Amino acid sequence: SAVISQKPSRDICQRGTSLTIQCQVDSQVTMMFWYRQQPGQSLTLIATANQGSEATYESGFVIDKFPISRPNLTFSTLTVSNMSPEDSSIYLCSVLGGLVLNTEAFFGQGTRLTVV
Amino acid sequence: AQSVSQHNHHVILSEAASLELGCNYSYGGTVNLFWYVQYPGQHLQLLLKYFSGDPLVKGIKGFEAEFIKSKFSFNLRKPSVQWSDTAEYFCAVNGDTGRRALTFGSGTRLQVQP
Repeated sequence: SAVISQKPSRDICQRGTSLTIQCQVDSQVTMMFWYRQQPGQSLTLIATANQGSEATYESGFVIDKFPISRPNLTFSTLTVSNMSPEDSSIYLCSVLGGLVLNTEAFFGQGTRLTVV
Repeated sequence: AQSVSQHNHHVILSEAASLELGCNYSYGGTVNLFWYVQYPGQHLQLLLKYFSGDPLVKGIKGFEAEFIKSKFSFNLRKPSVQWSDTAEYFCAVNGDTGRRALTFGSGTRLQVQP
């Protein structure tokens, strides 16, 4: 299994500012994902971040708003830029792991972001 | 494109009642299927998963799910629910190739009344 640590666990930010969320994994993983869970909603994939390549963003998410770094196989950051109250969500980092074909997804505890 | 449908958005049961939550998926390849639970104020926890073999899989806390390929379904069941099962349940799918990220259903809020 993979243990994922996210920082910060929560934050309250002013609109127009940016927040960078860190994701640290206790083992090397190829595939890392960033999700958003808006209040009362399910999880939506923001982007896939593989080491050594540009992140791949899902429809509705753009690099200028959610820049991602993936400097090595154990770490990634997601920045929420120029925040507005609509960005208030839980942001989750996830990796694939497991003994068989990397079939299991592991999640960090999430970053609860409130934009005021 | 992958998609996951959870038909029950909010389910209210009494303790000891049986539970079945529906999940249907759409995916044009070999799939891996998951059920996650999110207790109030907590992060996602894996209940069970299916990637091959016996289509009836057993997970933690007495939950099980059955993969019916012909129906593109992966319904979650529990014979007798407890108050502590009150939570949000998410069905999710990914593929062995191509899109590896999980696609989640909209979730089912289960409320168990004592």
